[in-house]
Amino acid sequence: TAGITQAPTSQILAAGRSMTLRCTQDMRHNAMYWYRQDLGLGLRLIHYSNTAGTTGKGEVPDGYSVSRANTDDFPLTLASAVPSQTSVYFCASSDSSLEGGDHTGELFFGEGSRLTVL
Amino acid sequence: GQNIDQPTEMTATEGAIVQINCTYQTSGFNGLFWYQQHAGEAPTFLSYNVLDGLEEKGRFSSFLSRSKGYSYLLLKELQMKDSASYLCAVLDSNYQLIWGAGTKLIIKP
Repeated sequence: TAGITQAPTSQILAAGRSMTLRCTQDMRHNAMYWYRQDLGLGLRLIHYSNTAGTTGKGEVPDGYSVSRANTDDFPLTLASAVPSQTSVYFCASSDSSLEGGDHTGELFFGEGSRLTVL
Repeated sequence: GQNIDQPTEMTATEGAIVQINCTYQTSGFNGLFWYQQHAGEAPTFLSYNVLDGLEEKGRFSSFLSRSKGYSYLLLKELQMKDSASYLCAVLDSNYQLIWGAGTKLIIKP
């Protein structure tokens, strides 16, 4: 079972260029998330989607956009990359939204996409 | 502001026991999570506490005190493969996960 797949694994990008990080899950999970992880900081939520067709902003959404056209895919787009967006990006999913008590509490993470913006 | 505090780094000996603490100050509380993350890999789920007390799962146990804003992860019979970062996260009143920066655990033979 693949679980969550992210692509690319690693990318170097020139500032000002656009980039889409892909995320696909095969667990039929309703909720999906994009986090960035920077040294010395906790994971920070960029955008999330509680179900297909809906998205929401997290803690650090500026400069990023997402779409959730179907259950399986949740791409993250950087419209015009800047060096401060250099980070490791993790996509995650959970069987249901963390809102309310009806969830197992477990997030499943992809292997991460390391992005360097020069 | 919201804050999750955990030690940056800890060292322990193979076969021993280690306790990793996490204190939190968040706007509301809807549960606390512990995740393990090996270097260069994805975080993986360890535990979820929503009520006070100790939850045991094999060699790992997680404790929660909501009144004290405190949790710990207890790892027993340490193995070299337990060398990893351990992430504490709290689900706040808006159902957003607030993550600590993680505790890097180094296991020595």
